[in-house]
Amino acid sequence: DSGVTQTPKHLITATGQRVTLRCSPRSGDLSVYWYQQSLDQGLQFLIQYYNGEERAKGNILERFSAQQFPDLHSELNLSSLELGDSALYFCASSPVAGAGYTFGSGTRLTVV
Amino acid sequence: KNEVEQSPQNLTAQEGEFITINCSYSVGISALHWLQQHPGGGIVSLFMLSSGKKKHGRLIATINIQEKHSSLHITASHPRDSAVYICAVSSMDSNYQLIWGAGTKLIIKP
Repeated sequence: DSGVTQTPKHLITATGQRVTLRCSPRSGDLSVYWYQQSLDQGLQFLIQYYNGEERAKGNILERFSAQQFPDLHSELNLSSLELGDSALYFCASSPVAGAGYTFGSGTRLTVV
Repeated sequence: KNEVEQSPQNLTAQEGEFITINCSYSVGISALHWLQQHPGGGIVSLFMLSSGKKKHGRLIATINIQEKHSSLHITASHPRDSAVYICAVSSMDSNYQLIWGAGTKLIIKP
């Protein structure tokens, strides 16, 4: 157990649906990062939060949104899902920005 | 051109061989990371380097800041080392988000 918990581990849903992925960072870590790993594009940075505030945005679609709650867990919301959204979604946390990263085991999303 | 380039893309070796994976980057960085991803998908952070050399067990990582180059070495390789090894860099300019290399798929045959 890396200390970063992601749920669910697997998710199968239909096109057009909405899903929520959850991440609990390692205890004491304030920064949370979301990454998408798809077969054709490798790992892509989506968004970063630090202590509840959005810090940086990467290649995150407008159909996707995220937030970090006061208890520091984060949720990634994916809506109007398309087949191309099928990917592995990773969450990582670090104590502060730039310190060592700890990764969750990922959520594998399959859109059918 | 990608900001982080890894070589080789694929590497197959026999158990016991000394393995080297290379990473070159073209941006200013605060740190370089080596990560390991097993077939199950989970990512493990192996090293975070900003200078010099680090060793952990049979793994050694080096970085040359002037040449913008890093290497990951595995001594006495073992089939359980089979995985994808990913180089990634982070910088203060980009809020420390990771910029990823494409990964090196390593297969160690018994």
